[in-house]
Amino acid sequence: GAGVSQSPSNKVTEKGKDVELRCDPISGHTALYWYRQSLGQGLEFLIYFQGNSAPDKSGLPSDRFSAERTGGSVSTLTIQRTQQEDSAVYLCASSLDGVTGELFFGEGSRLTVL
Amino acid sequence: GENVEQHPSTLSVQEGDSAVIKCTYSDSASNYFPWYKQELGKGPQLIIDIRSNVGEKKDQRIAVTLNKTAKHFSLHITETQPEDSAVYFCAAIAQGGKLIFGQGTELSVKP
Repeated sequence: GAGVSQSPSNKVTEKGKDVELRCDPISGHTALYWYRQSLGQGLEFLIYFQGNSAPDKSGLPSDRFSAERTGGSVSTLTIQRTQQEDSAVYLCASSLDGVTGELFFGEGSRLTVL
Repeated sequence: GENVEQHPSTLSVQEGDSAVIKCTYSDSASNYFPWYKQELGKGPQLIIDIRSNVGEKKDQRIAVTLNKTAKHFSLHITETQPEDSAVYFCAAIAQGGKLIFGQGTELSVKP
C-alpha cells in the first residue's frame, strides 16, 4: 500500500529480551519519526531522522533504546533488555520534508513486556 | 526545549454543541501548529494546521485560532457529530523540525 507500514503489529516478550520494531515509510519521504504512546497517554517523541542529517535522539528514554534508518528508507527501533515500563504502542510517521509538512502515521506496534 | 500543554484531557458534549480544546506552547520560535485526530486502534491523522503568519483558519466545521503573543492556540469544532468522537492532539514544531505533541483530549459526542 501507499501508507506507512509497521511490523509487527503486536509483540509480546519477556522482561530482559531484546525487540526490534520495523517501519517502512512512504516512498520519497525524507523525514521519519518514532513516538511512544502508553495506555491512555499522549505521544512521546523518541527520535527524528531528516535526510542525511544526524538524527535527533533527544527523546530516547535510556541507552537501551536505539534506532537506525538504512538507505534513507526503512527504520528499525531496537529496545534492549526490555522492562515492563517499555510496554506501549510505538508509532512511526513519515513526512515529505520534515519541516512543516503533514506527518503520516502507521498503525503502530503494540509491545507488551511480561 | 519545546513543551506543549493541552486542556482538557476529556471533554463530553451533546451532539450539535460546540467543542473547544486549548493548547499552550513554550518556544516562541515555533511557527507551525497542527492538530491530529486519533480514532481507536489507528494512528493519528492531520485534520487542520495553522502557520504563524495567520491568526485563524477554518475548514468546514473545524477552525483553529492562534495567539502568538500569548503562545496559545485552540481547536474549535462546531455542530459536533458522534463521528467526531476521538482523541485529539495539538502539536508544535520545535527547533530542528521535530513535532512535539500535547497530552491529548478524549472527545465524546453523545447522541
